[in-house]
Amino acid sequence: DTGVSQDPRHKITKRGQNVTFRCDPISEHNRLYWYRQTLGQGPEFLTYFQNEAQLEKSRLLSDRFSAERPKGSFSTLEIQRTEQGDSAMYLCASSLLQGSTGELFFGEGSRLTVL
Amino acid sequence: GIQVEQSPPDLILQEGANSTLRCNFSDSVNNLQWFHQNPWGQLINLFYIPSGTKQNGRLSATTVATERYSLLYISSSQTTDSGVYFCAGTLFSGGYNKLIFGAGTRLAVHP
Repeated sequence: DTGVSQDPRHKITKRGQNVTFRCDPISEHNRLYWYRQTLGQGPEFLTYFQNEAQLEKSRLLSDRFSAERPKGSFSTLEIQRTEQGDSAMYLCASSLLQGSTGELFFGEGSRLTVL
Repeated sequence: GIQVEQSPPDLILQEGANSTLRCNFSDSVNNLQWFHQNPWGQLINLFYIPSGTKQNGRLSATTVATERYSLLYISSSQTTDSGVYFCAGTLFSGGYNKLIFGAGTRLAVHP
């Protein structure tokens, strides 16, 4: 399958623990995005990479959140000292750089539950 | 930033019925997309439609960029059409496609 893949699909953790999510974009896509979705809401933008460069971070991304894309391929999103408010679906998307246009493709998401 | 308003927020249909979902934007957008979120949470691409009209089977979409709205038509609805439908777009002057999503339309199709 050549779609966007995310791992793990589900994560249950205790408050205060660290968690890491991984995203493998579509292979030829050089743009990668992270979104967060809480129950009953639409996805909210967290951060964006063009190749390995992180070009924008939302104010939603507190200091406890860090995202990397070390070689311009897969990306990781780490949450340190998790809080119950971090419980959400974390979605990754990728697209191909084509000027200001381009269609985003999403993975299946990683659902985080913080107890 | 741009505001994305979707209507109706909830919709209940009998199988076989037709429906129209609407998406309004507060500013000019490009890269407009429609998604269907399945029960497992994955966003399935329905249409990439910055302008004009596209059709795919029982679904079609129309975007009138100059008037800042898009419509998604579902004909002869089926129970498998149930789920949440999102529209999303980016600012026309934006440097890249950071999609801003609406709150979605929750569709339930009953047999």
